[in-house]
Amino acid sequence: DADVTQTPRNRITKTGKRIMLECSQTKGHDRMYWYRQDPGLGLRLIYYSFDVKDINKGEISDGYSVSRQAQAKFSLSLESAIPNQTALYFCATSDPQSGNTIYFGEGSWLTVV
Amino acid sequence: KQEVTQIPAALSVPEGENLVLNCSFTDSAIYNLQWFRQDPGKGLTSLLLIQSSQREQTSGRLNASLDKSSGRSTLYIAASQPGDSATYLCAVRGGGATNKLIFGTGTLLAVQP
Repeated sequence: DADVTQTPRNRITKTGKRIMLECSQTKGHDRMYWYRQDPGLGLRLIYYSFDVKDINKGEISDGYSVSRQAQAKFSLSLESAIPNQTALYFCATSDPQSGNTIYFGEGSWLTVV
Repeated sequence: KQEVTQIPAALSVPEGENLVLNCSFTDSAIYNLQWFRQDPGKGLTSLLLIQSSQREQTSGRLNASLDKSSGRSTLYIAASQPGDSATYLCAVRGGGATNKLIFGTGTLLAVQP
């Protein structure tokens, strides 16, 4: 089983719909992240959480919200999806006690039509 | 604001060739630098992590170097193989309170058999 699991892996949704991407990890890391990847723009940080009570905005948080339900779970929501949120979304974890190597999930393809 | 640049954006080499991928960053106050591999439609796999106090790291045919003062890192791949074909991304983690991972846009490598 993967250490960082994202669901769904693929989703097509309509403009204006609410969509949630879920992430769970078995690495026991406190730090979790959500990134989006767009061609030519690399990965950009949406939100990050250093523990269950510590959630912070990243570079591009507008239009997104997150919930850290437990140490192992970090979900990303698009309250009202728009076409320019079509992207590949990645969840990741890291542990500062082990050099802060970051581990990524397999990604969630989201298409907003 | 930290900016990370990778040149070239794409590279095609014949099998067996040694090659160098470049990564540059604008703010030398980094905590560490990490190289990743991404296969099409997949997540990112960590290859090497170099702490700010280190000059290089090696793993098998891969060697990554770090020159903080000049804001540069290189990833050297020896005796390239078709299985090395992928996108390679570098990312720098800021020091202190920022502690965020900033990604380059990647180099797409194709190793021709």
